[in-house]
Amino acid sequence: DTEVTQTPKHLVMGMTNKKSLKCEQHMGHRAMYWYKQKAKKPPELMFVYSYEKLSINESVPSRFSPECPNSSLLNLHLHALQPEDSALYLCASSQGPTGGANTIYFGEGSWLTVV
Amino acid sequence: ILNVEQSPQSLHVQEGDSTNFTCSFPSSNFYALHWYRWETAKSPEALFVMTLNGDEKKKGRISATLNTKEGYSYLYIKGSQPEDSATYLCAFPWGQNFVFGPGTRLSVLP
Repeated sequence: DTEVTQTPKHLVMGMTNKKSLKCEQHMGHRAMYWYKQKAKKPPELMFVYSYEKLSINESVPSRFSPECPNSSLLNLHLHALQPEDSALYLCASSQGPTGGANTIYFGEGSWLTVV
Repeated sequence: ILNVEQSPQSLHVQEGDSTNFTCSFPSSNFYALHWYRWETAKSPEALFVMTLNGDEKKKGRISATLNTKEGYSYLYIKGSQPEDSATYLCAFPWGQNFVFGPGTRLSVLP
């Protein structure tokens, strides 16, 4: 059982819609992440929040907007997406910012389809 | 660009067979190497964190070894079972990022 919970599990949205992906963890972790995974490729980092502050934005287009309301929650706001943004979006957390031996714990992901 | 490679890309074995696969990573600036198992429709599950050259870790029928000088880690599965079918990913911490290998997709046939 994962301790990182993501909702919704599946989302279909039009290119003009605004939607959000949500992530929650109650392990007391202080770092949270958004990864994007396309079919048959490894996960790619999008954003890192460390102690509720955005510390890494891996050149992600502005149509993806992360938000960390508190240490347990991480949102990804989606607006004006393109069909090529369809992917599995994984949320993850770790006790502290990674960079070594901190294990990253993943949620099951949110499958996003942009039509 | 940091390259983390895994081989083979996919593997089909019979139930009861033992198998192994490889993760290759840069040998310089090594801090740790992580192994994950990712079953379909589930979240990636952390298996091992390897930090010391020569490390060997074991979890049930799965074990892993580490050679930081030559930049590789092996994952072994003894007596494979159908429930071992999954994609096995290694990940190399790089700053605040994890650089994942492309994974080895294992299918264990009953």
